[in-house]
Amino acid sequence: GQQVMQIPQYQHVQEGEDFTTYCNSSTTLSNIQWYKQRPGGHPVFLIQLVKSGEVKKQKRLTFQFGEAKKNSSLHITATQTTDVGTYFCAGEGTNAGKSTFGDGTTLTVKP
Amino acid sequence: GAVVSQHPSRVICKSGTSVKIECRSLDFQATTMFWYRQFPKQSLMLMATSNEGSKATYEQGVEKDKFLINHASLTLSTLTVTSAHPEDSSFYICSARGDRASGGETQYFGPGTRLLVL
Repeated sequence: GQQVMQIPQYQHVQEGEDFTTYCNSSTTLSNIQWYKQRPGGHPVFLIQLVKSGEVKKQKRLTFQFGEAKKNSSLHITATQTTDVGTYFCAGEGTNAGKSTFGDGTTLTVKP
Repeated sequence: GAVVSQHPSRVICKSGTSVKIECRSLDFQATTMFWYRQFPKQSLMLMATSNEGSKATYEQGVEKDKFLINHASLTLSTLTVTSAHPEDSSFYICSARGDRASGGETQYFGPGTRLLVL
């Protein structure tokens, strides 16, 4: 079945440094979504990418969807302590109508 | 964004009892609801997909007789963990999605239910 791999598993950064998490799917995706989960909380939807090569920005967050629609990345510029949490990607297959989550990248930010 | 509620938020039960978890979409009609399970420091694992008025589709390895899912209306889905055992202790999260034909692509997650089986 469809597999979605996400790296790194953990990332520790100093406040102000940049952060990137990468997501790779074993199959071509219809779309990919990104979520953020704070400790003790539930996943919160950040964005959905649909088009090949798409790039979207939300303030300090930049999301990219690969040309082949099999990989994606989330980049945070100048991290802040409020960015801490686990970032999950979730890829929806072309036939499934359901999304498979990556294992997540847990970001910690040292003030 | 849209609001999805989940009840109860936390439940402790004895081994062998059944527990029902409710998932409600409060301000939109959810044609599809998803049930996930999340163990500590792990990702979300999809258990089943339910469409209003039809039987749920379970993922491989998920026992349909143990995890009963009912999606009786466009705003309510329930997950019943039957004869719960300690290994069923987990964080159960639902998500809801509206009519895709109307552009309702986004999944909105409920706040989750922490189940502890003693």
